[in-house]
Amino acid sequence: GAGVSQSPSNKVTEKGKDVELRCDPISGHTALYWYRQRLGQGLEFLIYFQGNSAPDKSGLPSDRFSAERTGESVSTLTIQRTQQEDSAVYLCASSTIGTVNTEAFFGQGTRLTVV
Amino acid sequence: DAKTTQPPSMDCAEGRAANLPCNHSTISGNEYVYWYRQIHSQGPQYIIHGLKNNETNEMASLIITEDRKSSTLILPHATLRDTAVYYCIVRVNSGGSNYKLTFGKGTLLTVNP
Repeated sequence: GAGVSQSPSNKVTEKGKDVELRCDPISGHTALYWYRQRLGQGLEFLIYFQGNSAPDKSGLPSDRFSAERTGESVSTLTIQRTQQEDSAVYLCASSTIGTVNTEAFFGQGTRLTVV
Repeated sequence: DAKTTQPPSMDCAEGRAANLPCNHSTISGNEYVYWYRQIHSQGPQYIIHGLKNNETNEMASLIITEDRKSSTLILPHATLRDTAVYYCIVRVNSGGSNYKLTFGKGTLLTVNP
C-alpha cells in the first residue's frame, strides 16, 4: 500500500490482558513513531525508531509498554496487563530522514478500549 | 515539552482566509517549522514546512518572520472541511533524538458557513 497501515483498527480487550498493535510503515521510511491520543486530548509521544540506532523510549508511560521494530519494516507496540487508562487511539507514523521530503505520514490508528 | 505556543481556538468564515499564528521564540538555527492538522477521528495530516523562507503549496502558505520567532499558516480560502486542530511543531531535519515530532495542544480552527 501507499500509506501507513495499522492493525487492528479497533480492539476491545479485558483489563489485565496483553495486546499487540501493529504498524506497517511506508516502504523505505527510516523513522517510525508511536503516539497515544486519549479522547479529547492531544498526541502524546511514546517511542521513536530511527534506522538501526537505539530507539527513543522516553515517552513510554510505564514498563507495561514496549515496542519493537525489525530493521526498517513493521513495528509492534505491546501493552501488557492492560488498564482502563490505556484506552486511547494509538497512532503510528513514518518518515524519511534528511533535508527534503521529511514529512511524517500517519496511519489511521488503532482504537483500543479496555473494559 | 512542546516548543511552540498557539491559541487554543479560532473561528473563520467559509471562503475567507484563515491565519493561524504560532510562537516559537526558542527555535534553534537548524530547526524547521512544521504544520500538521488533525480532522476529527483521523490521523494527523502534513500541511507544510519551512526553515526561514516563506513557503507555499497547494494547501497553504507559511509565513516565517525574519527573526524566525513566530510564523503564520494561511489557508487562503477556508472551507468547512478545513475545520480541524492545527499543530505547529519545530524540529531538526538531520535525525538524532531531536528528530521526533512533539505535538502541543494546537489550535482548533472552526470554519463557519
